[in-house]
Amino acid sequence: EAGVAQSPRYKIIEKRQSVAFWCNPISGHATLYWYQQILGQGPKLLIQFQNNGVVDDSQLPKDRFSAERLKGVDSTLKIQPAKLEDSAVYLCASSLWGRVGETQYFGPGTRLLVL
Amino acid sequence: KNQVEQSPQSLIILEGKNCTLQCNYTVSPFSNLRWYKQDTGRGPVSLTIMTFSENTKSNGRYTATLDADTKQSSLHITASQLSDSASYICVVGPWGIKAAGNKLTFGGGTRVLVKP
Repeated sequence: EAGVAQSPRYKIIEKRQSVAFWCNPISGHATLYWYQQILGQGPKLLIQFQNNGVVDDSQLPKDRFSAERLKGVDSTLKIQPAKLEDSAVYLCASSLWGRVGETQYFGPGTRLLVL
Repeated sequence: KNQVEQSPQSLIILEGKNCTLQCNYTVSPFSNLRWYKQDTGRGPVSLTIMTFSENTKSNGRYTATLDADTKQSSLHITASQLSDSASYICVVGPWGIKAAGNKLTFGGGTRVLVKP
């Protein structure tokens, strides 16, 4: 079974530029999550989708971050404009239904460096 | 506020030795606790999951314990190997039945380095 795919793996941009990350979850998984992991910290949930609907985006900085999952499969996360403090690893995860106790499967992450 | 605190932040052990990682949480109501292993440059991978009614769960050389009364968990690594070098993250899940109830609280992780 193929895992969660993410691209690109690495990205270096200058502040105020825009950047987009792509995620393809495990086939058949209805729930998709985007996390931000700052070096030395645990992941922080940015947004959770159930199919193509947003379940939780309470920690998404909506003035600069946006995400979509138009067809309920793959998803993109965009940052515009980027700030220095956005330097982090952006992890995408998916789970079957998003139920309590369900395993979330993580992708390898996209490492972003903002200069 | 839901929080998960892990200790130590990092540790170095010699290959073949045992070690124990600690996790204290204040998530309430509590449903489940999971330990993830995160290799450098990779996403976290689930090692064990325990509900509030379980005290211990093993996965090979990894053994997790849970005391729901004191809200503490530990992860014990037996006979460490070089491949155990990674970050170990304690993750607590809330109680709920809806999709939004799967919002997890992550600890900061313990970075383990196994030296030959």
